[in-house]
Amino acid sequence: QSVLTQPPSVSGAPGQRVTISCTGSSSNIGAGYHVHWYQHLPGTAPKLLIYANTNWPSGVPDRFSGSKSGTSASLAITGLQAEDEADYYCQSYDSSLSAVVFGGGTKVTVL
Amino acid sequence: QVQVVESGGGVVQPGGSLRLSCAASGFTFRNYGMHWVRQAPGKGLEWVAFIEYDGSNIKYVDSVKGRFAISRDNPKNTLYLQMNSLRPEDTAVYYCATNRDSYRDGKCYSDYWGQGTLVTVSS
Repeated sequence: QSVLTQPPSVSGAPGQRVTISCTGSSSNIGAGYHVHWYQHLPGTAPKLLIYANTNWPSGVPDRFSGSKSGTSASLAITGLQAEDEADYYCQSYDSSLSAVVFGGGTKVTVL
Repeated sequence: QVQVVESGGGVVQPGGSLRLSCAASGFTFRNYGMHWVRQAPGKGLEWVAFIEYDGSNIKYVDSVKGRFAISRDNPKNTLYLQMNSLRPEDTAVYYCATNRDSYRDGKCYSDYWGQGTLVTVSS
């Protein structure tokens, strides 16, 4: 059971918009700690997509965007492409655990 | 360019030990904190341990406290994870990752990751 809760899967047709939610609590996201997002293809190195809730690292297309409100955060992918099929993870910090925490991951399928 | 390359994985019996290494290049290793993160088969990412740039702050996930030890050799640009008293549930791909921003302030994230090294704990 992950500290941060994500839907196991989301899907969409090419060109559509999908969103992935990340729900936490008052000891992590709700406490104001930043949320970060990663894309992971099996057998490869995870890739940073969004850091500090809404910021893009260099080279990440702006089709990916992050938001945060209260005890939750979201990752939106607009103009869905076949290459976006991957697992996506949110990450934050939990003060009661004094630890970095990840969501359980969401598999994005492009129909 | 920035590279982190893990090594040292393998098959070990329950109760055994293994030491993972992570060779860093393309950035000033001594200036950055580092993490170990693992992924068990069919599961999600799980943070394992963190070490500050100078070794002054070390943190572990509860499930490995007292069994795993993270360390670093800055002159050699290398991060380590000593794993003792291994259990079947420690079976996973172990990733080395750079740290950005402050761990103490709970802002930290990882901008570069390695490809991982597989650890299998089985009799």
